[in-house]
Amino acid sequence: DQQVKQNSPSLSVQEGRISILNCDYTNSMFDYFLWYKKYPAEGPTFLISISSIKDKNEDGRFTVFLNKSAKHLSLHIVPSQPGDSAVYFCAAHMRFGAGTRLTVKP
Amino acid sequence: EADIYQTPRYLVIGTGKKITLECSQTMGHDKMYWYQQDPGMELHLIHYSYGVNSTEKGDLSSESTVSRIRTEHFPLTLESARPSHTSQYLCASSEDSYNEQFFGPGTRLTVL
Repeated sequence: DQQVKQNSPSLSVQEGRISILNCDYTNSMFDYFLWYKKYPAEGPTFLISISSIKDKNEDGRFTVFLNKSAKHLSLHIVPSQPGDSAVYFCAAHMRFGAGTRLTVKP
Repeated sequence: EADIYQTPRYLVIGTGKKITLECSQTMGHDKMYWYQQDPGMELHLIHYSYGVNSTEKGDLSSESTVSRIRTEHFPLTLESARPSHTSQYLCASSEDSYNEQFFGPGTRLTVL
């Protein structure tokens, strides 16, 4: 039972443009969501989180939006940089999505 | 600074061998976790612990076992490795189950 879903396995954007990564969840009891970033041969590292009492959380170039009624969240990266190229995981309460591989082209 | 370590980083072994994957953290976190991940797939929770002498199985059925005798140490053991155990194993810790998790670098296991 996959409770956290990332349906886009990959995304490619041009440097300087916006990257939008999407995530859906099925468990309405989830009330805290996190995004992690993973480089090859390393473990995931925490990027940004959001509580269900908010619909937006911003940290520098990274913003996470939460739509509780749609059970959907998204991560926006503006502007995207080549160093942002990595796999991004959405997570809630020890459940992780399959990740989206972001490639930012110079 | 997050300090969580996993050894070995890479392991290639034959079928039937007993192995232990080590995980240690120096942050004093009560919560620790083991995930299994195949390429392009989600991280599957296989074991977690809320503190010393506490261990629970995760969502994904696993033939591995864990122990938590000390706060900082959460080893995972496979009594008899099989090719189906070939995967990456990630260990993590956190202050509580809602906070961010800190991950080790992972162990890539190949069973021949």
